[in-house]
Amino acid sequence: AQSVTQLGSHVSVSEGALVLLRCNYSSSVPPYLFWYVQYPNQGLQLLLKYTSAATLVKGINGFEAEFKKSETSFHLTKPSAHMSDAAEYFCAVSVGTGNQFYFGTGTSLTVIP
Amino acid sequence: GAGVSQSPSNKVTEKGKDVELRCDPISGHTALYWYRQRLGQGLEFLIYFQGNSAPDKSGLPSDRFSAERTGESVSTLTIQRTQQEDSAVYLCASSLSFRGQETQYFGPGTRLLVL
Repeated sequence: AQSVTQLGSHVSVSEGALVLLRCNYSSSVPPYLFWYVQYPNQGLQLLLKYTSAATLVKGINGFEAEFKKSETSFHLTKPSAHMSDAAEYFCAVSVGTGNQFYFGTGTSLTVIP
Repeated sequence: GAGVSQSPSNKVTEKGKDVELRCDPISGHTALYWYRQRLGQGLEFLIYFQGNSAPDKSGLPSDRFSAERTGESVSTLTIQRTQQEDSAVYLCASSLSFRGQETQYFGPGTRLLVL
């Protein structure tokens, strides 16, 4: 069975500090991995995705994530947090066709000025 | 517009009433998904449409829930005899195809409150 675990439902960082949001997955087959962001009162939008090309994936707004097969992880990072990064972040895994898509429970990021 | 749209944006109903939620996907997207997002929880898959194939209804929580899609266009999610536990945000997403690596594009959601 496939699943996604996001450690930390709430993360707070100071403006300018490193952002690290953790995502671990379980999958019996090579996965596709995604990070989506949900800004307040907006729909989810794609930040970045891993589709079996480069293991380090760069996304929008300075975010990046690294696929580590040995650790079954796909953690999201950003070197320097900005106030506008405050949002809910969801990790997701897909292992086949459209119905095999699983989301984590989300991590709420707060940026402290 | 070019994005996924959903209506209504908010719906308040009384327990036992039926509600219908609408989703307009991006034109040309063959795959359409419905999810439920309860407060403080992740996205719960409900149903998936791919072109003219039979939908995958494996995520529907009970027979009170049903959904239809007209070809590759608009979809409606119907909840009959609503219960308070149905209160949630219902999200619709579409993607270009059913392939697992396709990006899903989400609508803003319908916030349902059952009193």
